[in-house]
Amino acid sequence: GAVVSQHPSRVICKSGTSVKIECRSLDFQATTMFWYRQFPKQSLMLMATSNEGSKATYEQGVEKDKFLINHASLTLSTLTVTSAHPEDSSFYICSAPRGGYGNQPQHFGDGTRLSIL
Amino acid sequence: QKEVEQNSGPLSVPEGAIASLNCTYSDRGSQSFFWYRQYSGKSPELIMSIYSNGDKEDGRFTAQLNKASQYVSLLIRDSQPSDSATYLCAVFQGGSTLGRLYFGRGTQLTVWP
Repeated sequence: GAVVSQHPSRVICKSGTSVKIECRSLDFQATTMFWYRQFPKQSLMLMATSNEGSKATYEQGVEKDKFLINHASLTLSTLTVTSAHPEDSSFYICSAPRGGYGNQPQHFGDGTRLSIL
Repeated sequence: QKEVEQNSGPLSVPEGAIASLNCTYSDRGSQSFFWYRQYSGKSPELIMSIYSNGDKEDGRFTAQLNKASQYVSLLIRDSQPSDSATYLCAVFQGGSTLGRLYFGRGTQLTVWP
């Protein structure tokens, strides 16, 4: 069964809306989680590393103020896309390493398909 | 400069054949290597992990790692149409707590009946 739960699976909303995506580790604690974005026919692009109890680490070119990440507990990380625009439409996926360290196998959530009209 | 390179394919093999997927990486200090399978419209699913030189077998899948050549591969024996997907090679680089996965662009595999 799934070890990482991601919700919602699909969002369709108007331009300017803020969208929150949740990522939960179901039966293990995850001090670190990862957020990816994937455009059609492209590979996964890491957006940021979510760290429990501290600030997220963003990859170069990812706007911190637009993609807000909160990792408030050992099993939950959230990504909020603020004031979303059509160019933010993409497939957003979170992952968490089951062993707690990033070099362990990472398990992915089912992804959130975001469509901004 | 790309960190992880895969033969982009597409790769097409008949049912029952062996599919061979290849990947090279640039960071010689990399220690952890993974193969993920991604069906269209779905998120990646872990197939294999390998950490030491040599072969690692799991059912119809065999991962091979050669750190000296900075090369990792995945063999799929007795390929089935259900194996048709994009296969992503991922390499973990950096420290265990501060590092990250680098993904290749993926190889699209089609197994035809």
